[in-house]
Amino acid sequence: KAGVTQTPRYLIKTRGQQVTLSCSPISGHRSVSWYQQTPGQGLQFLFEYFSETQRNKGNFPGRFSGRQFSNSRSEMNVSTLELGDSALYLCASSSAGTLYSYEQYFGPGTRLTVT
Amino acid sequence: QKEVEQNSGPLSVPEGAIASLNCTYSDRVSQSFFWYRQYSGKSPELIMSIYSNGDKEDGRFTAQLNKASQYVSLLIRDSQPSDSATYLCAVNNRDDKIIFGKGTRLHILP
Repeated sequence: KAGVTQTPRYLIKTRGQQVTLSCSPISGHRSVSWYQQTPGQGLQFLFEYFSETQRNKGNFPGRFSGRQFSNSRSEMNVSTLELGDSALYLCASSSAGTLYSYEQYFGPGTRLTVT
Repeated sequence: QKEVEQNSGPLSVPEGAIASLNCTYSDRVSQSFFWYRQYSGKSPELIMSIYSNGDKEDGRFTAQLNKASQYVSLLIRDSQPSDSATYLCAVNNRDDKIIFGKGTRLHILP
């Protein structure tokens, strides 16, 4: 099976702009989670989507949003970018609905730099 | 108290020795526990999952879970230089979120 893919891999934006990141999960996986990773805070949970519905949400401001499509592909959007949004954004997919539903498989990530 | 705690390291282990990585968690209802390996500049890779008390072995890796003491550990036998990476412990909490520790940096000395 193909792994989780994320596009773009690298992105440079300026403060105030918005950005959209895309994630395609492993075929058959219905759950997609998004994480932000920074050196200081580690991996922080943004949100999880399952069957086009946001099932869980982390403690991030409303500038961070996401959605999931019927084919399980997911996008996350960050509006009004701030310097502190510079991070590696990781998408993870899992099968959901089974004993091993929490086993997550990560994509390569999108490195976002805000200047 | 942090939800998932790990010693940040670095933990230096001679090649061929056993590397022992530890993790404690705060939510007593947690049921699923994971170890991920992350090489510098790469994304995390799932290496072990464990759901029941006791040991689970997979090749050179052994995960150990003690729910009463709320800790989970990872042993790496016959450590190789390629094992040098950051190891992340992850646990599901009562809100069904997967919470990651900040990771332990492991350095295998040739």
